[in-house]
Amino acid sequence: AQRVTQPEKLLSVFKGAPVELKCNYSYSGSPELFWYVQYSRQRLQLLLRHISRESIKGFTADLNKGETSFHLKKPFAQEEDSAMYYCAQRNTGFQKLVFGTGTRLLVSP
Amino acid sequence: DVKVTQSSRYLVKRTGEKVFLECVQDMDHENMFWYRQDPGLGLRLIYFSYDVKMKEKGDIPEGYSVSREKKERFSLILESASTNQTSMYLCASSLSYNEQFFGPGTRLTVL
Repeated sequence: AQRVTQPEKLLSVFKGAPVELKCNYSYSGSPELFWYVQYSRQRLQLLLRHISRESIKGFTADLNKGETSFHLKKPFAQEEDSAMYYCAQRNTGFQKLVFGTGTRLLVSP
Repeated sequence: DVKVTQSSRYLVKRTGEKVFLECVQDMDHENMFWYRQDPGLGLRLIYFSYDVKMKEKGDIPEGYSVSREKKERFSLILESASTNQTSMYLCASSLSYNEQFFGPGTRLTVL
């Protein structure tokens, strides 16, 4: 079965520190990988997807097929980055997403 | 902007009641999804629909059913609510294999 693993439930950093939220997936083919974010009192929204290879709000994520990872990184965290982050995968030809358990990022001043 | 709306933000029901959660999207998306969101468990797919009157079970369909009579509306039904169905329910929609857009969620409490 597909599985997306986010090992950290909570990641707490200081403003200006680098951030890396870990995500590992289990599918052996060519999945699509996504990061979704939920800010306080807001709806869940797409942050970025690996096929677009872009940086959103300073975040980047690189798909590493050898390590089956899709870690989310930002060199200098900001307080407004505090949110719940979910990694998700979708396998080729399928509509549904499989989500990880989420990591809460807390950026302190 | 895509708009996905859910009928209630908060709902309190009693054990055994039949519960309807409604979701409406206004962008002509063919795919619609129902998830439940629980701390430590993330989002788990209950059911999804890729067309009117079509539905497929997700990962945790037990105790739930769905209805999609019109393209814009996807209903989640709890036939006989139980306390373990207390959760946040999220609806989402998407166009083909594109980004899923989420509603604001319904926090359901079953007493």
